[in-house]
This record gives sequence, structure tokens and C-alpha cells, in this order.
Amino acid sequence: AQKVTQAQTEISVVEKEDVTLDCVYETRDTTYYLFWYKQPPSGELVFLIRRNSFDEQNEISGRYSWNFQKSTSSFNFTITASQVVDSAVYFCALGFSNTGKLIFGQGTTLQVKP
Amino acid sequence: DGGITQSPKYLFRKEGQNVTLSCEQNLNHDAMYWYRQDPGQGLRLIYYSQIVNDFQKGDIAEGYSVSREKKESFPLTVTSAQKNPTAFYLCASSNKGRTNYGYTFGSGTRLTVV
Repeated sequence: AQKVTQAQTEISVVEKEDVTLDCVYETRDTTYYLFWYKQPPSGELVFLIRRNSFDEQNEISGRYSWNFQKSTSSFNFTITASQVVDSAVYFCALGFSNTGKLIFGQGTTLQVKP
Repeated sequence: DGGITQSPKYLFRKEGQNVTLSCEQNLNHDAMYWYRQDPGQGLRLIYYSQIVNDFQKGDIAEGYSVSREKKESFPLTVTSAQKNPTAFYLCASSNKGRTNYGYTFGSGTRLTVV
């Protein structure tokens, strides 16, 4: 089975707090891609990051960082010093280059309060 | 600028009517996709096409139809057979490949049955 689980439906933090969004995936394929997208109220999906299954290096981009662990099938996303503009729905997705299809998690709604 | 254009942004349909959602891309991507998003849920795949004149059903194809006569265009028709069509529809395209997996989304069409 191929599946993505984002167990946190909603998270609410106060500005400047750090927050981690969890993502657990399932697949038997050895070659796959993992993505995070941000969906602001306007609805468009904004690409944040893509990792392939052969690259377990963690990545940091400004206040954003990602922790990819194949041993636990997890691809967690941390926002450091959160800001009100980070408020959005965040989706984790699993992709396969042979079909191009993406399998999405249910999404986590993040609310950052001032 | 290259991208995906979805139109209209908002669409209202009377029960029993068919409606067509437009999706055009100028990214020269081979593959195109239609996803449906319901409140509090992730995106679910309706149809996808990896090449012109060919397309495959996704997870929730019933009540929908598509065509892929041109590389740039992948319109989605929501037929009267779709029992609950009110949702947010996102079109995407990709240049799938092992080393360069790019995935771009349009800004979406919000369909409401009145």
C-alpha cells in the first residue's frame, strides 16, 4: 500500500515558537520522492521541498528544516521562530517518477497567533 | 512566465448540468493531472495523462471525464453522474524523471452546485 499520514489535523502556536509537522509514509518502492507543499487561503499549492529516496540528508532553508529518516519512514518539517505568515495548510506528499502521481496526506492546518 | 492557468476561478453549476474546467500549461510538461480537494482532506487524484491522446483513471474518476488532444491542455468535465461535485479542483503538470522531477500546480477552480 502507498499512503501518507499526517496525524496532526490542526496545530496552533504563538508567534516565535518552533513547530514540527509530522509526516509518515508507506511504500514498498525503493525509488520515490517526498514533497512538502504550503497552501495559503488563496488555495494555490506552493512548493517547499522535494527529496528523493536516495538522499537522506537533512535540509535547512532559512527558518524551515526537514528531517528525512527512512528507518522510520518519516519526513518531518520544522518551522523555527514561527511567524503569522506561516499560517496555512501544509501537505506532505509521496511521488513516483514512473507514473508522476502524487499521494497526499490529509494536511495539517497551522495557525500562528501574534 | 511559464505556468499553469486554470479557469474559471469560481464556477456554479445547477444540478444535472455538465461543466468543464479548463487547464492550460506552457511549461512543455508531458504529464498533467487533476486533483480534487474537499474541506479537511488531502488532494485525491481524479485523472492523469502522461502523453497526448492518452489518460488514466485516478482514485476517484467516477462522474468525471477528460481529454488530452493537445500537450498544453487537459480539460476536466464534471458530469451529472458526479453525485457530490462541490469541491476545489486543482490541475497540475510534471516533467517526471529520475533526476528532475518538477511538479507545478494551478491556482484552482472552486466548483459549487446550486
